[in-house]
Amino acid sequence: GAGVSQSPRYKVAKRGQDVALRCDPISGHVSLFWYQQALGQGPEFLTYFQNEAQLDKSGLPSDRFFAERPEGSVSTLKIQRTQQEDSAVYLCASSPRTVLGEQYFGPGTRLTVT
Amino acid sequence: DAKTTQPPSMDCAEGRAANLPCNHSTISGNEYVYWYRQIHSQGPQYIIHGLKNNETNEMASLIITEDRKSSTLILPHATLRDTAVYYCIVRGQGGKLIFGQGTELSVKP
Repeated sequence: GAGVSQSPRYKVAKRGQDVALRCDPISGHVSLFWYQQALGQGPEFLTYFQNEAQLDKSGLPSDRFFAERPEGSVSTLKIQRTQQEDSAVYLCASSPRTVLGEQYFGPGTRLTVT
Repeated sequence: DAKTTQPPSMDCAEGRAANLPCNHSTISGNEYVYWYRQIHSQGPQYIIHGLKNNETNEMASLIITEDRKSSTLILPHATLRDTAVYYCIVRGQGGKLIFGQGTELSVKP
């Protein structure tokens, strides 16, 4: 079956622009996670949804970052007024369970802010 | 969630077993050990997880010491396609994964 998909795969933004990154989780998966991965580092947690509810947003680095999952399926991560330090790969993962289940990752969106 | 310590890099000959160690001396009783790997330019891939007992699946085996302070991931017959960064993660009841630096495994012909 289809895995987690993310779009776009690559995004170049000029500093100060707003961007929106999309995640299509595996159908029926309850949990959805966003991670940020800087070059040469392991992924870092950003935020977590259980269905449409955002239960944990402790990893969002600033109020410029905003995530939503209005119908409990597709999710969008929005970054306002992008800065160079936002350059990273943004990974989305979904899981069929609410706790402890395996997370299935998408290929990521590579964001470059110039 | 407990922190983990892994060697930054390891080499393995193709066809041989790859044994990747992980220390998690501060693990608590209800925390699981998870292993993921990340092949270059791809998202992380789940490999295996365990609580106390050793576990085996089609990808790998996980050996957890009796005191649970360390574990070893075993790839029984490494291939070139197993070249990746391997992450050992200790995970409590919360959903998020806390990745460290991982071990960069290079499988050489």
